[in-house]
Amino acid sequence: GAVVSQHPSRVICKSGTSVKIECRSLDFQATTMFWYRQFPKQSLMLMATSNEGSKATYEQGVEKDKFLINHASLTLSTLTVTSAHPEDSSFYICSATHSGRGETQYFGPGTRLLVL
Amino acid sequence: GQNIDQPTEMTATEGAIVQINCTYQTSGFNGLFWYQQHAGEAPTFLSYNVLDGLEEKGRFSSFLSRSKGYSYLLLKELQMKDSASYLCAVYRNTDKLIFGTGTRLQVFP
Repeated sequence: GAVVSQHPSRVICKSGTSVKIECRSLDFQATTMFWYRQFPKQSLMLMATSNEGSKATYEQGVEKDKFLINHASLTLSTLTVTSAHPEDSSFYICSATHSGRGETQYFGPGTRLLVL
Repeated sequence: GQNIDQPTEMTATEGAIVQINCTYQTSGFNGLFWYQQHAGEAPTFLSYNVLDGLEEKGRFSSFLSRSKGYSYLLLKELQMKDSASYLCAVYRNTDKLIFGTGTRLQVFP
């Protein structure tokens, strides 16, 4: 149990367009979902934390108007990269915590975004 | 502030034992995670230490010393498939995971 999926796995878009990434917990209800970004050969950087039904909490330096997070249900969170630019090209990974399993975060397979 | 340090790269031979160290300085420490990440994939959970001591799980063991701000991941009987990045992450009382830069391990036959 504790499987997290992401869709799409890979996306290429033109500069200026918006891209939506979905994160789903498949076999559990997620207490909290997290969004990370990872540049090549670097570690994961937390972008924001979201709880169902409430506004996401963004990390310092992350623009909330550019990275829109919607946590519509206990199994679904979406990240929309608005007006994407080439510097937004990165690996975006979501994770979720399971209410019955404490602090362990279970990660989705990631979405590779390339902005041309 | 917070600081998490790991070696950038390590190499080892198939069948050998390797120890990956992680030192940290942070406030609000609530535990330490180790994750494995293969290139282009998401991290997978390996271990979580809250109390001092060694936790053993098959070929992998993880150790924590809270007073020294130190942890290590021990991999025994190395296999080629263990070639991956190993991420040390501190769990803070703000419910956040702060990741180190990761250690890229390459296992040679």
